[in-house]
Amino acid sequence: DIVLTQSPGTLSLSPGERATLSCRASQSVSSSFLAWYQQKPGQAPRLLIYGASSRATGIPDRFSGSGSGTDFTLTISRLEPEDFAVFYCQLYDSSSFTFGPGTKVDIK
Amino acid sequence: QLQLQESGPGLVKPSETLSLTCTVSGGSINNRSFYWGWIRQPPGKGLEWIGTVYYTGSTYYNPSLKSRVTIFVDTSKNQFSLKLSSVTAADTAVYYCTRHEALNWFDPWGQGTQVTVSS
Repeated sequence: DIVLTQSPGTLSLSPGERATLSCRASQSVSSSFLAWYQQKPGQAPRLLIYGASSRATGIPDRFSGSGSGTDFTLTISRLEPEDFAVFYCQLYDSSSFTFGPGTKVDIK
Repeated sequence: QLQLQESGPGLVKPSETLSLTCTVSGGSINNRSFYWGWIRQPPGKGLEWIGTVYYTGSTYYNPSLKSRVTIFVDTSKNQFSLKLSSVTAADTAVYYCTRHEALNWFDPWGQGTQVTVSS
């Protein structure tokens, strides 16, 4: 089974700064099957990125995804106050769906 | 706009069966482009995919839960449901229903429902 690792576990940044979040798979995967979600406290997750780099409907363009093979990145170009949350990557592989452990982006 | 709403008991006794239903509004569960899924999140932890169903009744289950999970669809009511048998405290979680687009990503999600397993 493919294992997803996210780093860092926690990222402390200030509004206006750039956030770079990493998702690493234990073996090479198709970028078509890599998605990113944002979850705020007490809320359901929200899809941000699918297919590694396509923004979901209504997602601001400060959110971008990239990567291939085993290494994928979610970048938030300039953090807005509402962006502080936990971010999860998710992979489809062999009829199973796996989430990474998450990266918390909190206010420095 | 598609909306999903979970419903069911918030408290289940150990060894019993957890049963939840997701009602879909603003769209048809019969849409051939979409699948429908359940995901859970234990308190303070990450997300775990439970399983997915297609409107035809075809199912896909998390191998770690497969022996205890049943997911089925009721197209006449535009609903799909989850049954998880022989529950323990480890099954305590917020349970989300979601549209499983292209059998790939999950969007949108219901608001989630807390289920606690306790005697």
